[in-house]
Amino acid sequence: AQKITQTQPGMFVQEKEAVTLDCTYDTSDPSYGLFWYKQPSSGEMIFLIYQGSYDQQNATEGRYSLNFQKARKSANLVISASQLGDSAMYFCAMREGSTGNQFYFGTGTSLTVIP
Amino acid sequence: DVKVTQSSRYLVKRTGEKVFLECVQDMDHENMFWYRQDPGLGLRLIYFSYDVKMKEKGDIPEGYSVSREKKERFSLILESASTNQTSMYLCASSLSGRESYGYTFGSGTRLTVV
Repeated sequence: AQKITQTQPGMFVQEKEAVTLDCTYDTSDPSYGLFWYKQPSSGEMIFLIYQGSYDQQNATEGRYSLNFQKARKSANLVISASQLGDSAMYFCAMREGSTGNQFYFGTGTSLTVIP
Repeated sequence: DVKVTQSSRYLVKRTGEKVFLECVQDMDHENMFWYRQDPGLGLRLIYFSYDVKMKEKGDIPEGYSVSREKKERFSLILESASTNQTSMYLCASSLSGRESYGYTFGSGTRLTVV
């Protein structure tokens, strides 16, 4: 079974609108971390936001927030007030506490912001 | 500014050549990883290392090997390059111990094998 599932290969959003990128995960480990990375066309992976499995509040970093629904095993990324520079690939990833140091990545969502 | 540095951004090699991709980090991270990224397939783990001289196979190790002689350097080796190894290669590093420790990535190497 896939550890991380991103079901949206491509998304479009109007500039200044909000957009939600979906991510579901699969783990039996009670301790895990969830991450979102942005990859612009230049290729570099940029860390956006982190959510721990024991965190009570949803993580926020500027215009990024993570909608964490533990019972549903979902960790959706919300980008508010989209900007043209947000056009990029977005990857959801998980690191499990007990199995060590490896990350599991989704297949990514390509976001295009339309002026 | 802490960094993971990959030696080349773009590389063109001929079929059958031995290819070395170098990755150096200056953060004293124990863990280092090599991924390849292809459209629609996401990131696939080739090899990883949790310590000097230690290496573990990832999901797609065939056709690759690695070397970690020093903590800061993790090299990916394509023993005999083939066209199906044309891809984007990403190196990453992380600290051990906690699930909150994220990856730091290099800027990637786009390899074309002709």
